[in-house]
Amino acid sequence: AQSVTQLGSHVSVSEGALVLLRCNYSSSVPPYLFWYVQYPNQGLQLLLKYTSAATLVKGINGFEAEFKKSETSFHLTKPSAHMSDAAEYFCAVSDRVTGGGNKLTFGTGTQLKVEL
Amino acid sequence: GAVVSQHPSRVICKSGTSVKIECRSLDFQATTMFWYRQFPKQSLMLMATSNEGSKATYEQGVEKDKFLINHASLTLSTLTVASAHPEDSSFYICSAADIHDTGYTFGSGTRLTVV
Repeated sequence: AQSVTQLGSHVSVSEGALVLLRCNYSSSVPPYLFWYVQYPNQGLQLLLKYTSAATLVKGINGFEAEFKKSETSFHLTKPSAHMSDAAEYFCAVSDRVTGGGNKLTFGTGTQLKVEL
Repeated sequence: GAVVSQHPSRVICKSGTSVKIECRSLDFQATTMFWYRQFPKQSLMLMATSNEGSKATYEQGVEKDKFLINHASLTLSTLTVASAHPEDSSFYICSAADIHDTGYTFGSGTRLTVV
């Protein structure tokens, strides 16, 4: 069985500060990992994904994440927070990425607040 | 990029009526679609996995007679909430897996309110 743990249900940063959202995973097979962002009353938008290629993954809007097998982590970072980054962020794991239909397992989410 | 269209975005219905939600992959083929339910301030709960041309696979605890899923084509899946009750009020989100690409694309969600 796979699982994802997101540490910190709420994270608050100042505009321009580093953003760090934590995600640890558990998987019996090599995982495929995703970060999604959700704005109020909207669906999820893919920020980035790890598919067993480069361990440092760059995504949209300046976000990146590093896959660390030894730490079973896939933390999301952004060097400088912007007000528009305020949203809910979900980490997710799957044991396959292609359209074979393997389901995603989501973490509980982290609400990011950006303050002036 | 891949786009999934979900309609309606909001629906209010009376208790006892049925509501249909559509999920369409606009520019790719999706052999598999997923339906999620999300409660306020919570994560997404997978309800069922829908495969084109076959019966949906429901997660434990999800009533298949209440949440009817049809995946008649490679681009369309529907979720019908049968005889809706106030406790079915929630945010429902679909996603589709592209058979030729990696990843999952999500619809914009449907806010269902049963009064």
